[in-house]
Amino acid sequence: GEDVEQSLFLSVREGDSSVINCTYTDSSSTYLYWYKQEPGAGLQLLTYIFSNMDMKQDQRLTVLLNKKDKHLSLRIADTQTGDSAIYFCAEIVSGAGSYQLTFGKGTKLSVIP
Amino acid sequence: EAQVTQNPRYLITVTGKKLTVTCSQNMNHEYMSWYRQDPGLGLRQIYYSMNVEVTDKGDVPEGYKVSRKEKRNFPLILESPSPNQTSLYFCASSLFKGLEAFFGQGTRLTVV
Repeated sequence: GEDVEQSLFLSVREGDSSVINCTYTDSSSTYLYWYKQEPGAGLQLLTYIFSNMDMKQDQRLTVLLNKKDKHLSLRIADTQTGDSAIYFCAEIVSGAGSYQLTFGKGTKLSVIP
Repeated sequence: EAQVTQNPRYLITVTGKKLTVTCSQNMNHEYMSWYRQDPGLGLRQIYYSMNVEVTDKGDVPEGYKVSRKEKRNFPLILESPSPNQTSLYFCASSLFKGLEAFFGQGTRLTVV
């Protein structure tokens, strides 16, 4: 079956950059997403990237996509304590005339003041 | 304000007692879905609905039912809950399948 892989934990110091990595499986995925889940809250769509792009930048967030290696990363510059959350990578998996979103297990980012 | 509203936020129930978790969205989205989130397993889709009266199974539909009688509401029904359905449940809605843009706050269900 399809699996989206992420490391489970990441700790960084406030002000440093965070890099959260993800590997996905479906080479035909057209969209790849990053979601943020703060404690006690639902998932928030943070950003997404089209498969024909290598990079997307949005303020402190940079998404890098390596299609050859099926590797996606999310870089958060100048990480703040408010960035502490679980970050989920997700891909669209297609098959049997349909498609659905498949999530990784999430990376818990802890920001140390 | 655009939102997805789930109720209740927390629920403790006993095995076999039917329950319903409601989900409502105010964005006129056609697509809605239910997920459960479990430690070490991430999010898994239970059911989804492409439009009114159109529902389909996700990855883990066993023990659940849904209905979509109107566009804004998509309740999740557990006819006979069991302890293995203890989980955190999320409802989501979007304009189209494959981009769950809006999530509810979650319902933490405990079945004893």
